[in-house]
Amino acid sequence: NAGVTQTPKFQVLKTGQSMTLQCAQDMNHEYMSWYRQDPGMGLRLIHYSVGAGITDQGEVPNGYNVSRSTTEDFPLRLLSAAPSQTSVYFCASSYSGTPSSYNEQFFGPGTRLTVL
Amino acid sequence: DAKTTQPPSMDCAEGRAANLPCNHSTISGNEYVYWYRQIHSQGPQYIIHGLKNNETNEMASLIITEDRKSSTLILPHATLRDTAVYYCIVRVAWGGSQGNLIFGKGTKLSVKP
Repeated sequence: NAGVTQTPKFQVLKTGQSMTLQCAQDMNHEYMSWYRQDPGMGLRLIHYSVGAGITDQGEVPNGYNVSRSTTEDFPLRLLSAAPSQTSVYFCASSYSGTPSSYNEQFFGPGTRLTVL
Repeated sequence: DAKTTQPPSMDCAEGRAANLPCNHSTISGNEYVYWYRQIHSQGPQYIIHGLKNNETNEMASLIITEDRKSSTLILPHATLRDTAVYYCIVRVAWGGSQGNLIFGKGTKLSVKP
């Protein structure tokens, strides 16, 4: 298994440009999520999905869109990039499990985005 | 969700046990304690979790106090590769959106030769 993969690894954008960060997992996980991490900070949840066709907002969703058309893929779209979106972006996935069990989240290697 | 408090940084000598504390005084009865770590800007990695009993796996041990208001993650023989930021997270058990993890700033553990 490749686990959770993210592309690209690095990206530089100009203010106002749009782009899509790709995330894919080959573990048949129902749950997927996107986090951003600013320097010296913990991760903050942007959007998440509990299954194909189902998405919801996290703590910091403004400026980002997501969709989940397949179990494997969960792309994150920046509609009009701003310097405040300069960050490292992590994608994660896991089984949904049951209320009495816990399934660890697997994280991708991250995408380092700079918006000028 | 309950909040957690961790020291911002700790040092540990290589080969010695690293004991990382976490306070979660407002934890509810159905909330678990989870530990993740992040090595030098890589994606976080799951370490261990527990409800009220002490837990051990191949990576670490988790000691939870009887009143569940605090816990300690123990790396029994720390190596240089254990240098990382360690996050203590308190959440209800898994289920749908309840799987979302809330990360604080964690503890930066530096293992020194």
